[in-house]
Amino acid sequence: DAKTTQPTSMDCAEGRAANLPCNHSTISGNEYVYWYRQIHSQGPQYIIHGLKNNETNEMASLIITEDRKSSTLILPHATLRDTAVYYCIVAYSGNTPLVFGKGTRLSVIA
Amino acid sequence: DAEITQSPRHKITETGRQVTLACHQTWNHNNMFWYRQDLGHGLRLIHYSYGVQDTNKGEVSDGYSVSRSNTEDLPLTLESAASSQTSVYFCASSDKKSSYNEQFFGPGTRLTVL
Repeated sequence: DAKTTQPTSMDCAEGRAANLPCNHSTISGNEYVYWYRQIHSQGPQYIIHGLKNNETNEMASLIITEDRKSSTLILPHATLRDTAVYYCIVAYSGNTPLVFGKGTRLSVIA
Repeated sequence: DAEITQSPRHKITETGRQVTLACHQTWNHNNMFWYRQDLGHGLRLIHYSYGVQDTNKGEVSDGYSVSRSNTEDLPLTLESAASSQTSVYFCASSDKKSSYNEQFFGPGTRLTVL
């Protein structure tokens, strides 16, 4: 079973920041938080990952709480093309298989 | 450019037939994975491989098999297709040498078992 809890769906206005929460209260010390997204019918796409510190790349920012029990993925200026299912996954680094939950369906509205 | 491909993209078969889905990647990745996705659900792991001659069972491996004879390919075989195996199948690969767990996914194969 997935070790994360995410809201089933969220809406966001185009151009605004999309903040997607994730709870992972049982995360262990060596496990990372990964975010992937799946745009309609396509294969999932890696977005970002982090261990303890906040992370930012060209796609998004990841904010991890100090106790590491929850995190938030931030899309700073959501566009219609960001409409997708977003998966928060807790996993060890390297080679371990990923366990996908049901994710959050984000709808960006014009 | 390096890529991961799956074939066929769509397949209709009958109950009881053997079906093989192909997955081919040109990144020279050691790790390869097969997932299935049913309507309204996340992806579930079927089988995975960390290198040539290595295969491992995932969460939903019953009725499926894989073999890894080279680095580039991990074909998924349904020994005797069942209607419950109607699904979208995704193949993925990742770099063994990478320090983090970025998997690259193929476009998927939609399989219908009648």
